[in-house]
Amino acid sequence: AQTVTQSQPEMSVQEAETVTLSCTYDTSESNYYLFWYKQPPSRQMILVIRQEAYKQQNATENRFSVNFQKAAKSFSLKISDSQLGDTAMYFCAFLPSFGNEKLTFGTGTRLTIIP
Amino acid sequence: DAGVIQSPRHEVTEMGQEVTLRCKPISGHNSLFWYRQTMMRGLELLIYFNNNVPIDDSGMPEDRFSAKMPNASFSTLKIQPSEPRDSAVYFCASSLVGQGASGYTFGSGTRLTVV
Repeated sequence: AQTVTQSQPEMSVQEAETVTLSCTYDTSESNYYLFWYKQPPSRQMILVIRQEAYKQQNATENRFSVNFQKAAKSFSLKISDSQLGDTAMYFCAFLPSFGNEKLTFGTGTRLTIIP
Repeated sequence: DAGVIQSPRHEVTEMGQEVTLRCKPISGHNSLFWYRQTMMRGLELLIYFNNNVPIDDSGMPEDRFSAKMPNASFSTLKIQPSEPRDSAVYFCASSLVGQGASGYTFGSGTRLTVV
């Protein structure tokens, strides 16, 4: 079974600064997908970014980018030029490539952007 | 597209009562997932369906929980009888079979309070 670990329960950063959220995972699969989801106070789960394990290039979506280290089983999220609207819970998630549709989540990091 | 639609948004019920949560997936999606979110346990997958057929219900906590998907556009999660420890936010999500790598689309969740 896969496990996803987020070791930072809470983080805070000043507006416009850069922040990095950590995620590690454990799996015996060779191919899989990784995701970061954002859950603002509205509680809606919003997909922020995704990474395919067989791609070496790190995914980027505007101010959001990842640092994917497959050998280390690490998948961190970097938010640049942070904005007040980035305040939310952030969840890292793992999906195997084949035969299993189950998305496994980490415990989340509560991020607060300070004005 | 209206996205994944869940109802009700909030539900307060007394212990011992039956509770039914409802979900309408995105049109054309043929995988549907029920998750439960609590502070203690985070996001847990309860059950998922492919093409209206339950594939994995290993996350369903006990026989008091049941889920159905009578057609491609509707699913229910029922708790009977409800207990205070069932209090949580219940999310429904949908995706295309084999396209889970694109990320699931989540509904806004139902906050259930059992008193």
